[in-house]
Amino acid sequence: NAGVTQTPKFRVLKTGQSMTLLCAQDMNHEYMYWYRQDPGMGLRLIHYSVGEGTTAKGEVPDGYNVSRLKKQNFLLGLESAAPSQTSVYFCASSSGRNQPQHFGDGTRLSIL
Amino acid sequence: AQSVTQLDSHVSVSEGTPVLLRCNYSSSYSPSLFWYVQHPNKGLQLLLKYTSAATLVKGINGFEAEFKKSETSFHLTKPSAHMSDAAEYFCVPRAPSNTGKLIFGQGTTLQVK
Repeated sequence: NAGVTQTPKFRVLKTGQSMTLLCAQDMNHEYMYWYRQDPGMGLRLIHYSVGEGTTAKGEVPDGYNVSRLKKQNFLLGLESAAPSQTSVYFCASSSGRNQPQHFGDGTRLSIL
Repeated sequence: AQSVTQLDSHVSVSEGTPVLLRCNYSSSYSPSLFWYVQHPNKGLQLLLKYTSAATLVKGINGFEAEFKKSETSFHLTKPSAHMSDAAEYFCVPRAPSNTGKLIFGQGTTLQVK
């Protein structure tokens, strides 16, 4: 079982470059989430989706955009990368709002 | 607002000894609470969840947690630590909304010697 798969696993960008992180889940989950994890700060929610075609802002959405065109995929975009966006990004999905979230292994992003 | 406090940022135990990771919650009602574990360079894995059906919750890998409303606590325990238990542990409440959002704190690092 693949579960939640994040692509790529590692990436180095220069300031001002753009990129898209892909999250794919094969569990037919409705809810999907993007988090970032920084040292000493736990996980912070960037954006989330409660179903195909819907997205909403989390607690730290600035500088990021998302799309959920297909139920199984949740894309996180950085239009103009900044060093402050250097972080580990995690995607998660769940079958319902009361159900546990299943996490991917993360994408380690460095912006120089 | 709902929140949790993990009382120890770092816990060190010897292999074979009991593990206790402390979590206190603050809520005006019975929350949904989860314990997640994160091994180095990995994503988070669910250990167990509390959803009011039972106060003593058993999870994977021998972990369990007891919800104590009188103490507003949800401490994680394991009778005998194993080297593979060394990881970061998060006590996480679910936000009171229709979105399923989780509220993460800074976690507790468990070292097993």
